[in-house]
Amino acid sequence: AQTVTQSQPEMSVQEAETVTLSCTYDTSESDYYLFWYKQPPSRQMILVIRQEAYKQQNATENRFSVNFQKAAKSFSLKISDSQLGDAAMYFCATGDMRFGAGTRLTVKP
Amino acid sequence: DVKVTQSSRYLVKRTGEKVFLECVQDMDHENMFWYRQDPGLGLRLIYFSYDVKMKEKGDIPEGYSVSREKKERFSLILESASTNQTSMYLCASSPLGGRGANVLTFGAGSRLTVL
Repeated sequence: AQTVTQSQPEMSVQEAETVTLSCTYDTSESDYYLFWYKQPPSRQMILVIRQEAYKQQNATENRFSVNFQKAAKSFSLKISDSQLGDAAMYFCATGDMRFGAGTRLTVKP
Repeated sequence: DVKVTQSSRYLVKRTGEKVFLECVQDMDHENMFWYRQDPGLGLRLIYFSYDVKMKEKGDIPEGYSVSREKKERFSLILESASTNQTSMYLCASSPLGGRGANVLTFGAGSRLTVL
């Protein structure tokens, strides 16, 4: 099974600033997918962004983008112009449904 | 607009009780999953199923079993609940295939406390 490591249990960002959440993974596959999910307080987990490993271009969804470094097996999430509604647990996940320990993001007004 | 429904949001059970956690999805998804979520450990895969009456062990199946008699329903069973099974349980589903590209749709979670 693929494994996922998130080394930042908690992160904090000022509203309107940029924050980067880190994720590393381990896989023996050559083609695979990576995901970032968001779990707002007391709400359901939802997808933030998805990246296919063979695509060179980093995925982007509005204010959310990834920095995918295949050789380093690194998959970080950048949130630009942070908003109060971005406060949540963020989980990095692989295509074989394995998740990291999560990063709790706090957004300060 | 509810797509994955977990029948109980909060449960309190006693040690040794048999516990059923039910999950129903209305998206005609083939794949269904059960995770437990614990602080500092993230989501850990307990069991998953790719089809009716099929099941596969995840990373932490000990102390759990599952049942999938109908495509839309996937039940997690704790045969004899123990205090170390106190946790948040998340059900998820996804369509078949996609070579690992499929996005999971999650339920709201069931918080189980075993006394």
